[in-house]
Amino acid sequence: AQSVTQLGSHVSVSEGALVLLRCNYSSSVPPYLFWYVQYPNQGLQLLLKYTTGATLVKGINGFEAEFKKSETSFHLTKPSAHMSDAAEYFCAVSDQAGGTSYGKLTFGQGTILTVHP
Amino acid sequence: NAGVTQTPKFRVLKTGQSMTLLCAQDMNHEYMYWYRQDPGMGLRLIHYSVGEGTTAKGEVPDGYNVSRLKKQNFLLGLESAAPSQTSVYFCASSHSDTQYFGPGTRLTVL
Repeated sequence: AQSVTQLGSHVSVSEGALVLLRCNYSSSVPPYLFWYVQYPNQGLQLLLKYTTGATLVKGINGFEAEFKKSETSFHLTKPSAHMSDAAEYFCAVSDQAGGTSYGKLTFGQGTILTVHP
Repeated sequence: NAGVTQTPKFRVLKTGQSMTLLCAQDMNHEYMYWYRQDPGMGLRLIHYSVGEGTTAKGEVPDGYNVSRLKKQNFLLGLESAAPSQTSVYFCASSHSDTQYFGPGTRLTVL
């Protein structure tokens, strides 16, 4: 069974500061990893994903994440926070597409990011 | 191209009432999913479908039924609503390992 743990349900940063949202996963097979963002009263939007290849993945809005197999981690970072980054962020894991996985996602509990002026 | 749409956006039910949530996608995706979102628990998979006429149980299927009679539509039914089903429900469809989410339905069961 797969699982995802997001460390910290709330993270608060100042505008211009580094954003670091932590995600650790457990999977019995090579995982596909995702970060989604949810703005208030909206659905989830894909920020970035790792499937195969380069372990440093760049996404939208200046975010990036690095897949570290030895640490079973997929932390999300952004060098300089903007007020518009305030939202809830979800890390998710999926078995590799195909087979009997059918792309099902297992989500972490979510991290609410607050950005202070 | 509307993407994934959900109907209704809000609904209040009394315990024991039934209702159906409709999800529609215009991207010709084979796979569709229903999730529920509760505070501090992320999103949990209720049911999913890998094609027209097929459905399967997810992590939390009890109390829900689904149907996929047409490729573009995925219906979620509550036969006898319970207060524990108060939640925000999200539908998604997927292509190339990426899931695309609808805007959600906020359901309150009194």
